[in-house]
Amino acid sequence: IAGITQAPTSQILAAGRRMTLRCTQDMRHNAMYWYRQDLGLGLRLIHYSNTAGTTGKGEVPDGYSVSRANTDDFPLTLASAVPSQTSVYFCASSEELAGVQFFGPGTRLTVL
Amino acid sequence: GQNIDQPTEMTATEGAIVQINCTYQTSGFNGLFWYQQHAGEAPTFLSYNVLDGLEEKGRFSSFLSRSKGYSYLLLKELQMKDSASYLCAVLDSNYQLIWGAGTKLIIKP
Repeated sequence: IAGITQAPTSQILAAGRRMTLRCTQDMRHNAMYWYRQDLGLGLRLIHYSNTAGTTGKGEVPDGYSVSRANTDDFPLTLASAVPSQTSVYFCASSEELAGVQFFGPGTRLTVL
Repeated sequence: GQNIDQPTEMTATEGAIVQINCTYQTSGFNGLFWYQQHAGEAPTFLSYNVLDGLEEKGRFSSFLSRSKGYSYLLLKELQMKDSASYLCAVLDSNYQLIWGAGTKLIIKP
């Protein structure tokens, strides 16, 4: 692994289903982030984590949850997917909270 | 509220120079970032400004004026591979990045 990986690459999901997007980094970065990117809008922060064991809410956290059990992994869970959660999801990490962020390749999620 | 404004789309010619502007109104300021994003790919870091002035990095330069809430990204000697979206982002008082919607740059031969 080099950098940040995300899985799956893409997914079509029925509304109401539970889904976990996976994110793993091997750079030993302290901070990690989840963003969604929608056409015509800037990246919007969903949740973030300053360090393992801590998480915080971003701009659009409703309907999403995260956990940070260790430094490397930062999964994002949609408890009950809705069509408005159709988006491209990017995971990112940085050495510390204010540092340069490095992005994973993204997950394209479609909720029908 | 917090706001980052940049043009939606710009067109330039291969070999030329283009300037992409970004204006911002945010709660606090702890630095401004420029990222490049090719279609279907992840954003990649280009530059960071925290003090007023010009930062030069090869063909790319970025300028910041904190008093005017203004930045620009200057791309010289444009190449076809520079066709991408350019994202401006400001680190606010909570150390969260506030992102503009991006400027799609189209390079014509």
